[in-house]
Amino acid sequence: DVKVTQSSRYLVKRTGEKVFLECVQDMDHENMFWYRQDPGLGLRLIYFSYDVKMKEKGDIPEGYSVSREKKERFSLILESASTNQTSMYLCASSFGDRGSGETQYFGPGTRLLVL
Amino acid sequence: DQQVKQNSPSLSVQEGRISILNCDYTNSMFDYFLWYKKYPAEGPTFLISISSIKDKNEDGRFTVFLNKSAKHLSLHIVPSQPGDSAVYFCAASGSSISGGSNYKLTFGKGTLLTVNP
Repeated sequence: DVKVTQSSRYLVKRTGEKVFLECVQDMDHENMFWYRQDPGLGLRLIYFSYDVKMKEKGDIPEGYSVSREKKERFSLILESASTNQTSMYLCASSFGDRGSGETQYFGPGTRLLVL
Repeated sequence: DQQVKQNSPSLSVQEGRISILNCDYTNSMFDYFLWYKKYPAEGPTFLISISSIKDKNEDGRFTVFLNKSAKHLSLHIVPSQPGDSAVYFCAASGSSISGGSNYKLTFGKGTLLTVNP
């Protein structure tokens, strides 16, 4: 079974703090993704990575950066947290081949509250 | 511009009956479709998928139907159980211009299914 783990389930931070969200997958997947989920807006892609040290912007990258130094680990960084970044953050990974290899497997999520 | 649409934000059915969740897409390059189920405060769980070369895929109580000409897919759950109550997301993927993966899935906004005992 694919296992995607996220470093925290719940996090409370103050406005202006630098926040690190960590994600680790154990299936040697090529691709990793960061989403946020907000009520009524579905899943929105923040950033993704298709290889170590490679990253691409998703639909809402503003205010975020990412790091992928090792294949199994993908970090999301909020450089200066703001209240509008209060959300549920979801990490996912996929093998990468066309078709079934594009199935993404998600971690349990991190619920971030920025005060 | 929403390329994957789930027009019903919510659906309520009785236990034992059929649940039908619908999804429409606009991008004709999409050729692989997935359904995910999400409980509150948890990550989405992959449920079932279908390739565009098929029009039906079945896994236990879950069946996905694809109508390519109408750019429509649906998820049938028979019989529905209270534990099926969750948000269901439809997602789609397609190839890049070069024919390889473009890596991403495009998600709908989800439908909240409530199965009443």
